[in-house]
Amino acid sequence: DQQVKQNSPSLSVQEGRISILNCDYTNSMFDYFLWYKKYPAEGPTFLISISSIKDKNEDGRFTVFLNKSAKHLSLHIVPSQPGDSAVYFCAASNPHGQNFVFGPGTRLSVLP
Amino acid sequence: GAGVSQSPRYKVAKRGQDVALRCDPISGHVSLFWYQQALGQGPEFLTYFQNEAQLDKSGLPSDRFFAERPEGSVSTLKIQRTQQEDSAVYLCASSSRWAGGSLTGNTIYFGEGSWLTVV
Repeated sequence: DQQVKQNSPSLSVQEGRISILNCDYTNSMFDYFLWYKKYPAEGPTFLISISSIKDKNEDGRFTVFLNKSAKHLSLHIVPSQPGDSAVYFCAASNPHGQNFVFGPGTRLSVLP
Repeated sequence: GAGVSQSPRYKVAKRGQDVALRCDPISGHVSLFWYQQALGQGPEFLTYFQNEAQLDKSGLPSDRFFAERPEGSVSTLKIQRTQQEDSAVYLCASSSRWAGGSLTGNTIYFGEGSWLTVV
């Protein structure tokens, strides 16, 4: 039973356009969320986070939106660049948890 | 080193062999996590240490899996009598702080992983 879902296994976007990666969760206790990017043969690298007291967090080209009522968050990348091509993981934790729960990932391909 | 270091990067083990995977966290980081990532899946939690104390080992799949961090820095994940389903990438991550029982506001930093193939 997956608590964190990323229903799109893959996404292709043209360079310069917006990439939108989605994440849904089932555990209403989750209050903190992170996005990681992973290149082949490397470990995941931290991108951006958001806590449940906010509905938006922005860092350069990356913005994360949180809709608590829908238990949904999304990562927007604008403008998309070929170097953004990677697998993106959504992760979540709850106030009493001692680990992060990860989604299965979405492979983003940014086409030149 | 500046980041989380894991060794070996790649390991091929014969079924039934014991393996040991090492993690050297970022200097000074009190929290250390082990995750297992199967092909095409997201990382799955195995175990967590705060300094030398193993506070959560609920994700270890069987008693063949054992982790330790005796001096609160380097950690070793040991898998006994490896089986083919153990083939995966084993990721170690560390974090600088443990915020009073909550991970909110925390960030964990991953190593490059140890790729284990059991044949």
